[in-house]
Amino acid sequence: EPEVTQTPSHQVTQMGQEVILRCVPISNHLYFYWYRQILGQKVEFLVSFYNNEISEKSEIFDDQFSVERPDGSNFTLKIRSTKLEDSAMYFCASRPHSEAFFGQGTRLTVV
Amino acid sequence: GENVEQHPSTLSVQEGDSAVIKCTYSDSASNYFPWYKQELGKGPQLIIDIRSNVGEKKDQRIAVTLNKTAKHFSLHITETQPEDSAVYFCAPDNYGQNFVFGPGTRLSVLP
Repeated sequence: EPEVTQTPSHQVTQMGQEVILRCVPISNHLYFYWYRQILGQKVEFLVSFYNNEISEKSEIFDDQFSVERPDGSNFTLKIRSTKLEDSAMYFCASRPHSEAFFGQGTRLTVV
Repeated sequence: GENVEQHPSTLSVQEGDSAVIKCTYSDSASNYFPWYKQELGKGPQLIIDIRSNVGEKKDQRIAVTLNKTAKHFSLHITETQPEDSAVYFCAPDNYGQNFVFGPGTRLSVLP
């Protein structure tokens, strides 16, 4: 069964460092998303991506964040200068139209 | 933007009993109403969904009911089992746009 895969599963980084979180969406899907979940809290929308461009982003997705789909298969989230409060689980999702399929997440720990 | 609420925030039931979680939303343009289950350490996974032209949908022990006029939909789980213990999120949306998750309901099924 096709699935969304995310790497790495866990990333530890020093405050101020850049991180790139990687996702491989399901191949025939059209919409791609990044969400984050701070421990024990709700799943928060970051950004949606369609037709090779950002279609919507939240207030959380400031200038420190960027997304790319560099090669038609990977979908990456970059955080330029990490802050302690960026520590969270980051989930990638893709959907053909209705149902969204989520990856297992990357746990980002900023120290 | 969409304002999504869930009630209750936590729910404990005895194994074999039924559980009902309600989701209310604000955007009248929403036309797709999914429920996601998140187990510990995993990404959200769709368990059932309903579209705005249908009032109720059932899949074995799980059902979803929709009241579009009142802008709420509910998840019903019958004959609960310990493996139903998880956090449940609703995420109403308007196909293709970003979908906003509710704050989640932690269900505990006590053996």
